[in-house]
Formats: sequence, structure tokens, C-alpha cells
Amino acid sequence: KQEVTQIPAALSVPEGENLVLNCSFTDSAIYNLQWFRQDPGKGLTSLLLIQSSQREQTSGRLNASLDKSSGRSTLYIAASQPGDSATYLCATLPVGGSQGNLIFGKGTKLSVKP
Amino acid sequence: KAGVTQTPRYLIKTRGQQVTLSCSPISGHRSVSWYQQTPGQGLQFLFEYFSETQRNKGNFPGRFSGRQFSNSRSEMNVSTLELGDSALYLCASSLEQRRDTEAFFGQGTRLTVV
Repeated sequence: KQEVTQIPAALSVPEGENLVLNCSFTDSAIYNLQWFRQDPGKGLTSLLLIQSSQREQTSGRLNASLDKSSGRSTLYIAASQPGDSATYLCATLPVGGSQGNLIFGKGTKLSVKP
Repeated sequence: KAGVTQTPRYLIKTRGQQVTLSCSPISGHRSVSWYQQTPGQGLQFLFEYFSETQRNKGNFPGRFSGRQFSNSRSEMNVSTLELGDSALYLCASSLEQRRDTEAFFGQGTRLTVV
């Protein structure tokens, strides 16, 4: 059974710092891995989707990598801003699961101080 | 292009009552999934519908049910509400032309059971 872990659970950094959020998963048989952002009390905003055949994806100041063999993904945020403060969640879609059955980590709560 | 729309945004119900939540997916998306988010358990998969058929179901009691209509809109119903059903209920839609497509989430319905 796929398990997804995100460490640390919370992270506080000063504005302008580059940072890395970690996501690990136990079963490398996945269709894709997706990173989301969640603001308090709100829904999930999709940030990046990495398909199983890809190694990384980039969008603006965000870069996500995927290493299936080691069961790890990282989300790199460059030049962090206070507006980046949110909870970041990663989710995998296991092979054999149907499209909707994403397995989520518990998230990393990021706080960027001005 | 409109995103995933969930109604209502907030609900307060009494124990023992039943509730129906609605989700309208992105136009053209045929897969709709439902998730429950609580502080303790994180995001947990409830069920997925595709072309009006339930394709997958998570580990929730039979009090939780759903359906999908021919226009892909979906509803989920919770009967005999318990205090522990208080949560943010999130709906996600995806294209389902390939298994590695992106999931898009709505803003959620915050259910409070008193």
C-alpha cells in the first residue's frame, strides 16, 4: 500500500531564501506525482505535475524533481516571498489505481517571514 | 475557463441529519473524485466517478455515498451525520484521457456537525 511522507511538517524561512520541500513514497509504481498548494481553509491549487517518465518540471520560481527509484520528489522554491506562505502537499497516483485515487502526504506548512 | 465549483461553501448540520454536497467539474472533464480532509487524517479518498459509474471507493462507511450525472456533475451524500464527519470535503476533476493527467480541485465545502 502506497504511503507518502512529507518532511518537515512545518518550515519557517526569511524572505528571499531558496528552499526545498521533500516528499517520499514507498511504492515506485506510480503514474505521476503532483504538487499542490493549499491556503488556509481553501481548496488545492495544482502547482506541478511530473509524469512517471519525467525527471523534473519547472514553473516560474518552482522546480519539482522526481526520482522513482529512490521514491523521492523535491519541490524547490527560489527566492521565497511572503505570498508563498501556505501548506504544500504532494500526491502520487499509484499504478493500478484509477484516476481519482491520489495518495497524499500530510503536507509541509511553509511560513515566509518578511 | 471555469474551474471546479463546489456548493455550498459552508454547512452546519446537527448530528443525525443528512447532507448533500455538489461538485461541477471543469467542462469536458469526465472523472470526478471526492476527498475528505481533516487535521488528524489529512486528505483521504472517498470515491471516484467516471461516466456516471463509481469506479473506485475508499475506506469509508456506507453512510457516505455519491453519484454522477450525465453532465458529469457529481453529488455526495452523508447520512446520519456524526461529529467526526466535520471536515473539508474536496472535489477534483480530471480529463481521464490518459492516466497521467492533472487533477484540479475545487474550493471545498466546509461541513461542521454539531
